[in-house]
Amino acid sequence: QSPLTQPASVSGSPGQSITISCTGTGSDVGAYNYVSWYRHHPGEAPELIIHDVTKRPSGISDRFSGSKSGNTASLTISGLEAEDEADYHCCSYAGGSSFVFGTGTKVTVL
Amino acid sequence: QLHLQESGPGLVKPSETLSLTCAVSGGAVSSSSYYWNWVRQSPGKGLEWLGSVYSSGDTYYNPSFKSRLTLSIDTSNNQVSLDLNSVTAADTAVYFCASAPWVWLLYYFDSWGQGLLVTVSS
Repeated sequence: QSPLTQPASVSGSPGQSITISCTGTGSDVGAYNYVSWYRHHPGEAPELIIHDVTKRPSGISDRFSGSKSGNTASLTISGLEAEDEADYHCCSYAGGSSFVFGTGTKVTVL
Repeated sequence: QLHLQESGPGLVKPSETLSLTCAVSGGAVSSSSYYWNWVRQSPGKGLEWLGSVYSSGDTYYNPSFKSRLTLSIDTSNNQVSLDLNSVTAADTAVYFCASAPWVWLLYYFDSWGQGLLVTVSS
């Protein structure tokens, strides 16, 4: 299992939109619509913000949206806020009850 | 709402066994509503799925750790355990436990612990 590829860092100003990509293979991201995204403020518990590519859990702002095309999934954060500064991790089901995470992206709010 | 809390030694010597527990509150580890997972994050790297354990006793491991990893459930203490043997410095990481809904065609981790930093060093 190779980790999914994410940009190391993405930045934006408050109010802007940013998109984080998550590139896998035809055995994980491309094979299943089971991509999830997690927001992680270091020292705290990671938080599920998107599952099944596009679905938001209850309580998650609609500023977060997900999509997928082929082997690449994406997370878009619109109306960037200071609290969005965190690490973001994608994850895909990879078959056989296994999972693979991405390399992680640090989001900086300028 | 589940609450998960990892515990264990913060320092382990090379070649020894790393043993961690995850105390679960707000739900029973024996429940058929959830299964339990361990994920780690090595310094400067992304998250890495280690494996899953079900109340049925079934386990699934990341192939990279299958020969060294054992996950189990302790229903009497409502906790989940991880044993990783023959550790090296490369096993230095923050270890997280996470729950996942045990529902057909749901594949995500919905509750997480804060994580525990484990350093492997002599």
